[in-house]
Amino acid sequence: GAVVSQHPSRVICKSGTSVKIECRSLDFQATTMFWYRQFPKKSLMLMATSNEGSKATYEQGVEKDKFLINHASLTLSTLTVTSAHPEDSSFYICSARVVAGVHYNEQFFGPGTRLTVL
Amino acid sequence: GIQVEQSPPDLILQEGANSTLRCNFSDSVNNLQWFHQNPWGQLINLFYIPSGTKQNGRLSATTVATERYSLLYISSSQTTDSGVYFCAVNQAGTALIFGKGTTLSVSS
Repeated sequence: GAVVSQHPSRVICKSGTSVKIECRSLDFQATTMFWYRQFPKKSLMLMATSNEGSKATYEQGVEKDKFLINHASLTLSTLTVTSAHPEDSSFYICSARVVAGVHYNEQFFGPGTRLTVL
Repeated sequence: GIQVEQSPPDLILQEGANSTLRCNFSDSVNNLQWFHQNPWGQLINLFYIPSGTKQNGRLSATTVATERYSLLYISSSQTTDSGVYFCAVNQAGTALIFGKGTTLSVSS
């Protein structure tokens, strides 16, 4: 299958600082990537759709100034949590959609980033 | 938006038993995928199955698109099958919308 990586896998930061999470498609190009958030024992909630070369589309209730998304290349999207607070602590997962080949239209997920804000 | 409902929410099995997980969705979809989330949080792709039937070892899945449901079958369950199983759907290249999942516990 197609491989998506995320970095870092775990981060602990102080309240008020900013944290950047990287999502990379390793063996395919991804014009569109997606960012999700998951709380303990809950489902994945879509935060935003990241489009290469254009602005991200945010879901209702997600603050775009707090969760900055940049998709500067066909293999990299970044999510920056600005001025993080304890309520931002969560598990953040990205995914990328395959647009060619045997896995066409299938989405693959990164391993996730566990953010803890003290 | 599309609603995705999974049942049962929890399932407890003895090793060797078979199980069926169900996913209902509220509108027509272009994509349906089943995932297993491991204890570290990684989502493992099980099936891409917008319609029809597929099998992979002890797992198989069937989607009846016209009736808006999908089934995931696990046969001869093993303790390593434990975890959360998610069904997710989308339309025309949009983001996957997830159900709430089924938590499976298999004991030896």
